[in-house]
Amino acid sequence: DAGITQSPRHKVTETGTPVTLRCHQTENHRYMYWYRQDPGHGLRLIHYSYGVKDTDKGEVSDGYSVSRSKTEDFLLTLESATSSQTSVYFCATKLDGGSRLDTQYFGPGTRLTVL
Amino acid sequence: QKEVEQDPGPLSVPEGAIVSLNCTYSNSAFQYFMWYRQYSRKGPELLMYTYSSGNKEDGRFTAQVDKSSKYISLFIRDSQPSDSATYLCAISPNDYKLSFGAGTTVTVRA
Repeated sequence: DAGITQSPRHKVTETGTPVTLRCHQTENHRYMYWYRQDPGHGLRLIHYSYGVKDTDKGEVSDGYSVSRSKTEDFLLTLESATSSQTSVYFCATKLDGGSRLDTQYFGPGTRLTVL
Repeated sequence: QKEVEQDPGPLSVPEGAIVSLNCTYSNSAFQYFMWYRQYSRKGPELLMYTYSSGNKEDGRFTAQVDKSSKYISLFIRDSQPSDSATYLCAISPNDYKLSFGAGTTVTVRA
């Protein structure tokens, strides 16, 4: 258990409202990731961070922004939520980028419903 | 073309059966392959990883890579109801990213 928490765990919101999901880790891992998981698509990378204030886009970044002001926190923001962003969102962390054998550790997920 | 493809199933087997899960990948340069297990309403966790080709065993689990056909497999022997989960294959195209298959949901019936 890499000590990853996500908040909130469940959220229902309406189309057009802003939403921020928080990921908090206690392991001092350098890399942090946001994924979304949808039936038939598996886990798809939204954004990732390789250090404080260092972030980059993943394969499905449109409509999402991220921020990392502290090593332990990685925020995912939906500026104006749409129904297509209804999904389960997972945060993950990785010790460093130096070895592919360092596993990614996943949080418990946030279930987001956009009505 | 997706980097890794996986049949999403679902797969239902009786207890004690052998479960066979498969993925194909697109780039012959990939060398690191992982299998993650995800229980319902939980985050994925690493089950096994293999490097390059060949087999790797861990208890009832065997991971296999066939680089000539760009095929990776996971076998579960003597399956138990506690093995019921979604299994995701993943490849590591570089030091910091993973690309996941769609996941196969497995149910082992008691």
